[in-house]
Amino acid sequence: QSVLTQPPSVSAAPGQKVTISCSGSSSNIGNNYVSWYQQLPGTAPKLLIYENNKRPSGIPDRFSGSKSGTSATLGITGLQTGDEADYYCGTWDSSLSAHVVFGGGTKLTVL
Amino acid sequence: EVQLVQSGAEVKKPGESLKISCKDSGYRFTSYWIGWVRQMPGKGLEWMGIIYPGDSDTIYSPSFQGQVTISADKSISTAYLQWSSLKASDTAMYYCARHGYCTAGNCYPDYWGQGTLVTVSS
Repeated sequence: QSVLTQPPSVSAAPGQKVTISCSGSSSNIGNNYVSWYQQLPGTAPKLLIYENNKRPSGIPDRFSGSKSGTSATLGITGLQTGDEADYYCGTWDSSLSAHVVFGGGTKLTVL
Repeated sequence: EVQLVQSGAEVKKPGESLKISCKDSGYRFTSYWIGWVRQMPGKGLEWMGIIYPGDSDTIYSPSFQGQVTISADKSISTAYLQWSSLKASDTAMYYCARHGYCTAGNCYPDYWGQGTLVTVSS
């Protein structure tokens, strides 16, 4: 069971908007930055968002991130079929010894 | 452009040892933490640990401490993940990942290798 909780799946139609939540605690999200990763089928993960809401070069502004308290949210607007993928949140956790933790992942289906 | 190239797929028997590699190109290997992430079949990402090649400082996840060894050879810009005695439950895809975004002392994965599939079966 993952330290960070994500919904197993979300779905929406092309062109629509979807949000994916990531819930943690004060030992992880509450006191650290959150990153988001996209994993297309059969490929390695790719960084989408870092430091809660920043996009690396090349990531379209359809992707956005936010954080409030011990939860974070990834937003995707103007959904495309190519956005179908698994999405993971990640952050540092200091409950035992400091280490990175990931959410269980959310499968996005674009209907 | 940052590129991490991992060694090829492995098929091993339980009890055997294994060392897989991740070679960087395109960035200063000794200036960034680099680590490993496991993904078991059909499952999510699990962070295993990281190493700073500049001084070999290493951080392990509590779940993987003592189960694997992470090392690096800065002379050839290569990081390694090693097992001394494999189990069937080690069957997974293993990704290396540079941890290039650092804030408040914590570094986050940014660039990822293509993955190495390890299959452990008798």
